[in-house]
Amino acid sequence: AQSVAQPEDQVNVAEGNPLTVKCTYSVSGNPYLFWYVQYPNRGLQFLLKYITGDNLVKGSYGFEAEFNKSQTSFHLKKPSALVSDSALYFCAVRDPKIIFGKGTRLHILP
Amino acid sequence: GAVVSQHPSRVICKSGTSVKIECRSLDFQATTMFWYRQFPKKSLMLMATSNEGSKATYEQGVEKDKFLINHASLTLSTLTVTSAHPEDSSFYICSALTGGSYEQYFGPGTRLTVT
Repeated sequence: AQSVAQPEDQVNVAEGNPLTVKCTYSVSGNPYLFWYVQYPNRGLQFLLKYITGDNLVKGSYGFEAEFNKSQTSFHLKKPSALVSDSALYFCAVRDPKIIFGKGTRLHILP
Repeated sequence: GAVVSQHPSRVICKSGTSVKIECRSLDFQATTMFWYRQFPKKSLMLMATSNEGSKATYEQGVEKDKFLINHASLTLSTLTVTSAHPEDSSFYICSALTGGSYEQYFGPGTRLTVT
C-alpha cells in the first residue's frame, strides 16, 4: 500500500528564514504526491502536486517541493518564511484515494 | 478553481439524534467524493469513498450503518451520522474528484459536536 511519512510533528522557523517540511513516501510504481495546508478550523488548501516531469515543483504562496526518487522524499520548501505561513501541513499520496501523512505543524516566529 | 462547499459549517446536536452533512461541488461534476474525519491535532482519516449512483465503499473500522453516505447526483453527497454520541464529535471534511483528475478538491469542513 502507498503511504507517506512526516517525521516531524512540529517545525519552528524564524520569519525570513528558509523553511523545510519533510515528507518521505513509500509507493509501488510512479507516485502521485501532494502537499496541502490547513488553517485552524478550515478545510484543506491545495499547495502543489508532483505527477511527472520536473523534480522541482512550484506551488501556491511561494512554496515549492523537490521530488527525490533516490531518497524517496518530497520535502516542502520556501526560501523566506512568513508569520502567515504558520499552519498544519499535510503530505499526501494518491492511491488512487488520497492518503495523508500525520501532518506537521509549522510555527513561524516573528 | 473548483469549489466544494459543505453545509452546515458547525452543528451541535444531542446524543441519540441524527445529523446530516451535505457536500456539494459547485462548478464541476464530481464522479467520486470522499469523506474524511479529523480528530483534534490529528491527520485526516478516510472514512469512505462514494461514486455517484452506487453504494459507498467504507474503510476498515468505519461503521456503515452509523455513517450513512448517499451520492445521489454528480454534485451532491451527504453524510448522515445516525444516533450520534459524544465520541462522534469531530471535524468532518469531504472532497471531490472529477473524472480523470489527479487532484481532489476539499470542502471547508463541518464541526460536529454531540452533547
